[in-house]
Amino acid sequence: AQTVTQSQPEMSVQEAETVTLSCTYDTSESDYYLFWYKQPPSRQMILVIRQEAYKQQNATENRFSVNFQKAAKSFSLKISDSQLGDAAMYFCAYRSSNFGNEKLTFGTGTRLTIIP
Amino acid sequence: NAGVTQTPKFRVLKTGQSMTLLCAQDMNHEYMYWYRQDPGMGLRLIHYSVGEGTTAKGEVPDGYNVSRLKKQNFLLGLESAAPSQTSVYFCASSQPAGLISSGNTIYFGEGSWLTVV
Repeated sequence: AQTVTQSQPEMSVQEAETVTLSCTYDTSESDYYLFWYKQPPSRQMILVIRQEAYKQQNATENRFSVNFQKAAKSFSLKISDSQLGDAAMYFCAYRSSNFGNEKLTFGTGTRLTIIP
Repeated sequence: NAGVTQTPKFRVLKTGQSMTLLCAQDMNHEYMYWYRQDPGMGLRLIHYSVGEGTTAKGEVPDGYNVSRLKKQNFLLGLESAAPSQTSVYFCASSQPAGLISSGNTIYFGEGSWLTVV
C-alpha cells in the first residue's frame, strides 16, 4: 500500500516571502499522480497543483510550483510571494494509475500560517 | 453546476442510532469515495466504488456500510453510531485516472459534520 508523509505539522512564513512544504511518499508503482490540496477554515478541498509521474517537468500554477524528485520519492510545494489568503491546511496526496485502485491517499497535512 | 453534493451537512446523533449520509454527483463520474477527516490524521478512505453496483473497503471501513445502486449516488451508512465516529465526512468523485479528458481531477463535496454523543 502506498503511504504519504508530511513531516511538517505546522509552518509559518512572512507575507510576500517564499515557503516550501515537504512531502515524501512510498510506492512500488512507476506510474502515478501526485497532488497538493489546500483546505481553508471552510474545510473545502481545493486542488492547488498536480503532477503526473511520467512527466519530468515540474508543474507550475501561478505562484505555486512543485519540486518532483521521482527517484527520491519527494514532492515538495513551493509558494512564492505568500499572501494572507494562502493560510490553510495543505495536504499532499498520491493517486495510483492502476485500474480499480485509483483512490487518493493523503498525508496528515501541514498547517500554514501567514504572518502579516 | 452542483458538482458533488452531500446531505446532511450537520448532524448530531446519540450513541447507537443509525443514519445515512447521501452523496450525489452530476458529472457522470464512474468513481466515488467516502473519506473521514480527524485532527492530525488527514483524510482517510472509508469505502469507495469504481462503478454502479460496486463497492470496496478502504483504510477504515469498520462500522460503516455503503451502497451504490445508482451511478450518481453513493450512500454511507452508520448502523450503530459510536462516539469514535464523530468526524467530518467527505464524499468525492472522479473518472478513472487514465482517462486523459478528465484531467485526472477528483472533486470533493463540502463535507458533513457528524457528532455522536
